[in-house]
Amino acid sequence: KNQVEQSPQSLIILEGKNCTLQCNYTVSPFSNLRWYKQDTGRGPVSLTIMTFSENTKSNGRYTATLDADTKQSSLHITASQLSDSASYICVVSGRTDSWGKLQFGAGTQVVVTP
Amino acid sequence: KAGVTQTPRYLIKTRGQQVTLSCSPISGHRSVSWYQQTPGQGLQFLFEYFSETQRNKGNFPGRFSGRQFSNSRSEMNVSTLELGDSALYLCASSLGQGATYGNTIYFGEGSWLTVV
Repeated sequence: KNQVEQSPQSLIILEGKNCTLQCNYTVSPFSNLRWYKQDTGRGPVSLTIMTFSENTKSNGRYTATLDADTKQSSLHITASQLSDSASYICVVSGRTDSWGKLQFGAGTQVVVTP
Repeated sequence: KAGVTQTPRYLIKTRGQQVTLSCSPISGHRSVSWYQQTPGQGLQFLFEYFSETQRNKGNFPGRFSGRQFSNSRSEMNVSTLELGDSALYLCASSLGQGATYGNTIYFGEGSWLTVV
């Protein structure tokens, strides 16, 4: 079973509107959580990285929140633009004494329409 | 500075053949990791190299192998290609261990492999 679950699988929003993407994880012990944006046919680009002591981190119109107690994170997109159309991937890393490994969510496909 | 560079960008191979993909990390980065991305499975971790040593490996068969050179450049090889190996193969680099907090992982644009 995937240790990182994202919802919704896809969503369509009007340009200028806000939206929120969800990420639930079971990775334990937890080290850090990242959000990536991947345009179609391109490599993922880092948006934010957060550790358990951080609740909120922003990158322009993107704001990520983290609740390490409930093992939930969200990515909020404010005033969406057409260029926000992409897949958003949640990535979680566990805390380990050895070489860590990233766990990937399946992604949320966002389509922004004019 | 230049980003992660992957070559070739597109290639078509026949079932049973082997393929080698190349990755040049960002200058100064010592960690290189490889991922397979397919529509059905999403992003899956293949392996990570640091200072020419494989540090971690995903759940892929032995047909998938890689190596890292002293200049941090990396190659991955897939032998005896199967139709299911058709995917986008992404390389990423970071200063240190990729999964550690504080190490941003930078992805390349990927190599699109089609097996026919």
